[in-house]
Amino acid sequence: EAQVTQNPRYLITVTGKKLTVTCSQNMNHEYMSWYRQDPGLGLRQIYYSMNVEVTDKGDVPEGYKVSRKEKRNFPLILESPSPNQTSLYFCASSMDSSGNTIYFGEGSWLTVV
Amino acid sequence: GEDVEQSLFLSVREGDSSVINCTYTDSSSTYLYWYKQEPGAGLQLLTYIFSNMDMKQDQRLTVLLNKKDKHLSLRIADTQTGDSAIYFCAVTSGYALNFGKGTSLLVTP
Repeated sequence: EAQVTQNPRYLITVTGKKLTVTCSQNMNHEYMSWYRQDPGLGLRQIYYSMNVEVTDKGDVPEGYKVSRKEKRNFPLILESPSPNQTSLYFCASSMDSSGNTIYFGEGSWLTVV
Repeated sequence: GEDVEQSLFLSVREGDSSVINCTYTDSSSTYLYWYKQEPGAGLQLLTYIFSNMDMKQDQRLTVLLNKKDKHLSLRIADTQTGDSAIYFCAVTSGYALNFGKGTSLLVTP
């Protein structure tokens, strides 16, 4: 079954404690990206990756890092989380960047206190 | 990213048709999507339309695209209480998928 899997799905953490949200896809997709969803703001792209070792900033990259060492994985790293990073995070993947058939993970609810 | 605008709320009676509208600014968008999000859940792809199409129908869903006016709409026929959710319009823009802020659809009995 085609899947984008995120972990953890729910997390409460404290300010400044580094955390990583993992994302894995089983479709051999080249293109992966991270979004955050905030009330009244819709979804905004944080980072994207067009292939292994190729990443670039989206609209709201501040406070985040990513890596793409393998095709299937695209972890989102918060080196020093702050309360304004409390959000719902979605990972997405697709065969390419054209937008055709984008698959989303189920979302990760992150609360930073 | 480019702007994608949607009205924030829509309330309809069960059995009526719902029409959710979306406008966008990026004329180069090739794919235009409608996603549904139920409370506490992730994004469910409802349907999408390619930019060279005017209309797409899928069971109770009809998508209309007016490329000249950059206007996209989603019509849900015979709306049911289970259709209550937030509906997001999203359009491709370069390497991103730009989302509207979502329309909360409330279906009343």
